[in-house]
Amino acid sequence: DSGVTQTPKHLITATGQRVTLRCSPRSGDLSVYWYQQSLDQGLQFLIQYYNGEERAKGNILERFSAQQFPDLHSELNLSSLELGDSALYFCASSVSTDTQYFGPGTRLTVL
Amino acid sequence: GQQLNQSPQSMFIQEGEDVSMNCTSSSIFNTWLWYKQDPGEGPVLLIALYKAGELTSNGRLTAQFGITRKDSFLNISASIPSDVGIYFCAGRPPLYNQGGKLIFGQGTELSVKP
Repeated sequence: DSGVTQTPKHLITATGQRVTLRCSPRSGDLSVYWYQQSLDQGLQFLIQYYNGEERAKGNILERFSAQQFPDLHSELNLSSLELGDSALYFCASSVSTDTQYFGPGTRLTVL
Repeated sequence: GQQLNQSPQSMFIQEGEDVSMNCTSSSIFNTWLWYKQDPGEGPVLLIALYKAGELTSNGRLTAQFGITRKDSFLNISASIPSDVGIYFCAGRPPLYNQGGKLIFGQGTELSVKP
């Protein structure tokens, strides 16, 4: 158990819908990262927050947004969902920008 | 953009054999990490490397941070059935405007025959 929690474990929804994925980092970690894992693209960095502020951005679509709250938990919002958004979404956390520990992931299926 | 080339893509070995996999890049990295992922689970950190030339062990696992900062390898000695899974290398680029983002290799799928 990495200490990073993610909910829900599975999410099934329809195209055009909006979903929210939730992540709680390890106790004491200030940085939260979101990654997407798909069969064709592998593990891809989406976005990082550090102590509530956006720190770095990867290839995150405009339909996707994230935030980190004062209690340091983070949410990833995915809107206008498309079939191609089906993937595993992972959250990771670290103290600053060093070693990252991953959560168990949320499997999103868009039908 | 930055890419990591991980090889081999897959390995099928006998229990007790040693395993070696590596990652290379045309760009330098400040940190190299090795993760193992089981199907449907999150990547689990195995070894973290922070300095060029660093050699670190974790039980039967040994990893090295290449001296050029552009490569890393992972060795597993005396493999056992529970070593089965997908192994990923990940590199953290130099910090300027990239925060702590990790670039991942494509993974090495390891199968162990008892």
